[in-house]
Amino acid sequence: DVKVTQSSRYLVKRTGEKVFLECVQDMDHENMFWYRQDPGLGLRLIYFSYDVKMKEKGDIPEGYSVSREKKERFSLILESASTNQTSMYLCASSYPYRGGTEAFFGQGTRLTVV
Amino acid sequence: GDSVTQMEGPVTLSEEACLTINCTYTATGYPSLFWYVQYPGEGLQLLLKATKADDKGSNKGFEATYRKETTSFHLEKGSVQVSDSAVYFCALRRGTSYGKLTFGQGTILTVHP
Repeated sequence: DVKVTQSSRYLVKRTGEKVFLECVQDMDHENMFWYRQDPGLGLRLIYFSYDVKMKEKGDIPEGYSVSREKKERFSLILESASTNQTSMYLCASSYPYRGGTEAFFGQGTRLTVV
Repeated sequence: GDSVTQMEGPVTLSEEACLTINCTYTATGYPSLFWYVQYPGEGLQLLLKATKADDKGSNKGFEATYRKETTSFHLEKGSVQVSDSAVYFCALRRGTSYGKLTFGQGTILTVHP
């Protein structure tokens, strides 16, 4: 089975802290994604990566950065956490687009910033 | 840009009722279309997909048909179960977009015994 593993299910951080969310996949996928899930807004893409050390901004990159030093690991970084970054964060991975190639998701990290 | 619009929720049904969740999309070219499901406390998992016009995706009693003329991909099930209670997301993916998924806002389904 494909596995996408996020390092934490729940996190509570203080405003202004630097926060790291880690994601590891075991399928040798080239593409990895970070989404944010909020009620009524669905999933919105923060950043994605199509190769090691390569990254592209998604729809809502402000306040976030990412790191991909190894193919299997994709990290999301909140440079200075704010309360409006309280949300569910979902990591996903996939092969490069080929027809109906699906994306596989981790179980999510629910982050609360206080 | 690309967009996906799902019907307003939440949806509450009794067991064995029929389900339809509407989904329409806006995209250039010929995207692939997906339905993902999120059970309580879990990440998203693929429910079904369709890659070209008139394709029908099906899984676990759910079906959806890719209708290019109406730009729609409605999710249907003839008889829902309590275990179908979840959040359902419609999504599209284009070949020119590094495989990024564009999601609808999600529809919460609750099925009562």
